[in-house]
Amino acid sequence: DQQVKQNSPSLSVQEGRISILNCDYTNSMFDYFLWYKKYPAEGPTFLISISSIKDKNEDGRFTVFLNKSAKHLSLHIVPSQPGDSAVYFCAASRLIQGAQKLVFGQGTRLTINP
Amino acid sequence: DTGVSQDPRHKITKRGQNVTFRCDPISEHNRLYWYRQTLGQGPEFLTYFQNEAQLEKSRLLSDRFSAERPKGSFSTLEIQRTEQGDSAMYLCASSSFRGGYEQYFGPGTRLTVT
Repeated sequence: DQQVKQNSPSLSVQEGRISILNCDYTNSMFDYFLWYKKYPAEGPTFLISISSIKDKNEDGRFTVFLNKSAKHLSLHIVPSQPGDSAVYFCAASRLIQGAQKLVFGQGTRLTINP
Repeated sequence: DTGVSQDPRHKITKRGQNVTFRCDPISEHNRLYWYRQTLGQGPEFLTYFQNEAQLEKSRLLSDRFSAERPKGSFSTLEIQRTEQGDSAMYLCASSSFRGGYEQYFGPGTRLTVT
């Protein structure tokens, strides 16, 4: 079963505009959520995270919103820049035996057009 | 500060052969994770170490897979009698007990089984 879903495989946005990437989850036991960015031939790079006790976290151009009742989170990038073109993964975390096991979505490929 | 490193970056092997991958985590990180990523999917959790103890294994980790982390430093992941279905990117990540939930990933080892 897919506990974390990113329903948009790809997204294309004009440079300077806002990029909004969405993620849905099913397991209400998740207590921490993260976004990773991945370039080809590299490992995922941590971007931003949010605890389940918050509904918003901001870091520069990146803001993550969490709607627990809808089991939905989103990543906003504003303004979008060409270097933001990459695959973005959302991940959800639950503490099990001291392990923060991450469950990832399938990823959304973001393309920023000049 | 060096990040997580993995060796080799690429491995091509014939079906039935054994392969071993190495991961060197960030030096002060006591938690180490292995994930596997196939095309079009997000990374999937395989196993977790806290120091030298392997505390959790996914059911994805069949009997042909074994992981070790001697002395709580680097880790190795061995696959015996490789199958074509083992072809994937194998990612290692580490995190600190004192840190947040963020895991920092290495560049991965891409395995191709022919």
